[in-house]
Amino acid sequence: DTGVSQDPRHKITKRGQNVTFRCDPISEHNRLYWYRQTLGQGPEFLTYFQNEAQLEKSRLLSDRFSAERPKGSFSTLEIQRTEQGDSAMYLCASTPNEEGYYEQYFGPGTRLTVT
Amino acid sequence: RKEVEQDPGPFNVPEGATVAFNCTYSNSASQSFFWYRQDCRKEPKLLMSVYSSGNEDGRFTAQLNRASQYISLLIRDSKLSDSATYLCVAYLSNSGYALNFGKGTSLLVTP
Repeated sequence: DTGVSQDPRHKITKRGQNVTFRCDPISEHNRLYWYRQTLGQGPEFLTYFQNEAQLEKSRLLSDRFSAERPKGSFSTLEIQRTEQGDSAMYLCASTPNEEGYYEQYFGPGTRLTVT
Repeated sequence: RKEVEQDPGPFNVPEGATVAFNCTYSNSASQSFFWYRQDCRKEPKLLMSVYSSGNEDGRFTAQLNRASQYISLLIRDSKLSDSATYLCVAYLSNSGYALNFGKGTSLLVTP
């Protein structure tokens, strides 16, 4: 399978705990994105990497959230001191760094439940 | 106000029917548009890009009206397997590389 992969697929955690999610983009895709999706909503942008550089962060990405892409390949998204409002599907997407290419390909997501 | 607005539905249609979804976008500078399909508890999957001239892929036709800032998706001869949520998406380069998604329109095709 050469698509975007995410791990874990499901995570249940208690409020106040830290969680970390991993995303492996499609091989050779330079651009990587994180989105959050809650029930009844479309995905909402969180942050964007081009190679290892984090070029954009949404205002949704509070101080408790941090994302990295240290070697320009896989990325991690960490949420510290989780709150019940963090419960959502966290989606990763990637796209090649080609001029005029804007379609994004999504991984299966990590479903987070904060109890 | 959300940048991309869609009627959430649900649209319940019988098998074989033709169904159309519209969405509107607020930023006239938006450059590219897409329809994604999302099955329950799954990730969004690209259905088709939307071009100014309109484009067709089998039973699916997408159209863009820049003057009125709306995008449409027409599904002909609906199949049971078309049941899903259809997400309308706009892209604006000077707002970074993020896609702006609508909330989605739910379609249920019944036997």
